[in-house]
Amino acid sequence: SQKIEQNSEALNIQEGKTATLTCNYTNYSPAYLQWYRQDPGRGPVFLLLIRENEKEKRKERLKVTFDTTLKQSLFHITASQPADSATYLCALDSNRDDKIIFGKGTRLHILP
Amino acid sequence: KAGVTQTPRYLIKTRGQQVTLSCSPISGHRSVSWYQQTPGQGLQFLFEYFSETQRNKGNFPGRFSGRQFSNSRSEMNVSTLELGDSALYLCASSSVQGLNTEAFFGQGTRLTVV
Repeated sequence: SQKIEQNSEALNIQEGKTATLTCNYTNYSPAYLQWYRQDPGRGPVFLLLIRENEKEKRKERLKVTFDTTLKQSLFHITASQPADSATYLCALDSNRDDKIIFGKGTRLHILP
Repeated sequence: KAGVTQTPRYLIKTRGQQVTLSCSPISGHRSVSWYQQTPGQGLQFLFEYFSETQRNKGNFPGRFSGRQFSNSRSEMNVSTLELGDSALYLCASSSVQGLNTEAFFGQGTRLTVV
């Protein structure tokens, strides 16, 4: 069955730098891949969706790439700010059957 | 418009009891999904309802069940509670089924089983 791995449990980045988070999956390429942000004690908040036929998506300081050859999505936050500190989750469909699976997330700390 | 509302926010139950959690989706949304979140396992998919029908189910025992009403509100029930059921239960609503559109999550219900 499909598995997701997000690169590390925690990542420390200096303010102003670009933070890059990784989401790897093991089997077939999902039709859709989503990224969410979650703050402590709150539900995840949708950030970006990328489809299998899209290589890249941008939204303000956020950029997502989707490489079906590497079976990987990268999530970038440029000009990072302390307010970007949160846990970031990737999600995809498990077997093209709409069962959604989430990665365990990466806790991002932007250091002032 | 109002967001996804989950009630109650916090709940303490004892082993063996049952519990019902409620989720009111965003107005107009017909898809409601439920997730269990624990520190060890992360966010795990429980099930998805669309237009009152269960469309997908995750790998959870039959003690976990749900339903959706004609107004799209959904309830999730856990019977014979176990200590391991302690978790944050999240619901998410979206306009269509599946991952093809953004999902809006509620604040969650924190269930503690003692």
